[in-house]
Amino acid sequence: DADVTQTPRNRITKTGKRIMLECSQTKGHDRMYWYRQDPGLGLRLIYYSFDVKDINKGEISDGYSVSRQAQAKFSLSLESAIPNQTALYFCATSGTGGYSNQPQHFGDGTRLSIL
Amino acid sequence: GESVGLHLPTLSVQEGDNSIINCAYSNSASDYFIWYKQESGKGPQFIIDIRSNMDKRQGQRVTVLLNKTVKHLSLQIAATQPGDSAVYFCAENTSPGAGSYQLTFGKGTKLSVIP
Repeated sequence: DADVTQTPRNRITKTGKRIMLECSQTKGHDRMYWYRQDPGLGLRLIYYSFDVKDINKGEISDGYSVSRQAQAKFSLSLESAIPNQTALYFCATSGTGGYSNQPQHFGDGTRLSIL
Repeated sequence: GESVGLHLPTLSVQEGDNSIINCAYSNSASDYFIWYKQESGKGPQFIIDIRSNMDKRQGQRVTVLLNKTVKHLSLQIAATQPGDSAVYFCAENTSPGAGSYQLTFGKGTKLSVIP
């Protein structure tokens, strides 16, 4: 089983719809992240959370919201989807090794298409 | 497959040869660097990391070199195999400091291995 699981893997929806992407992890990590990936632009950070009570905006948070329901679950919502939010979305997690940062580990992504 | 490889620099290497993938990073204060591999339809997969107090780190068939003077990172893959074909990203922690951690990703290099 995957350590970082994203659902759904693919979603096609219409402009104006509310959409939720879900992420769950079995790695026991405190830190979770949401990114989007667009061709030619690389991965960009949307939101991140360092523990259940912590939510932080990333580089491109406008139009998105998140909820950290538990240590293992972090969901991303698009309240009113628009076509330029069509992208690949990735969830990632990382642990904390003392005072040192640890690598982020990614799920296999959600391909979201907004018509 | 995914379109993440569009418009990316491409490196073509003969099977068995060594590959060198380069990355220029942006922030002289970045303290932690990671290389990821992304195959079609999958999320980025951690390969190797290095902290700014080191200039070289080796893993299994991979070596990362860090040159802080010119803000340059490279990934060397020994005896390249067809399974190494993928897009490779470097990432830097552009938010060093206690309790903070944000990765900024490069746009990637597509490695194609010629059998």
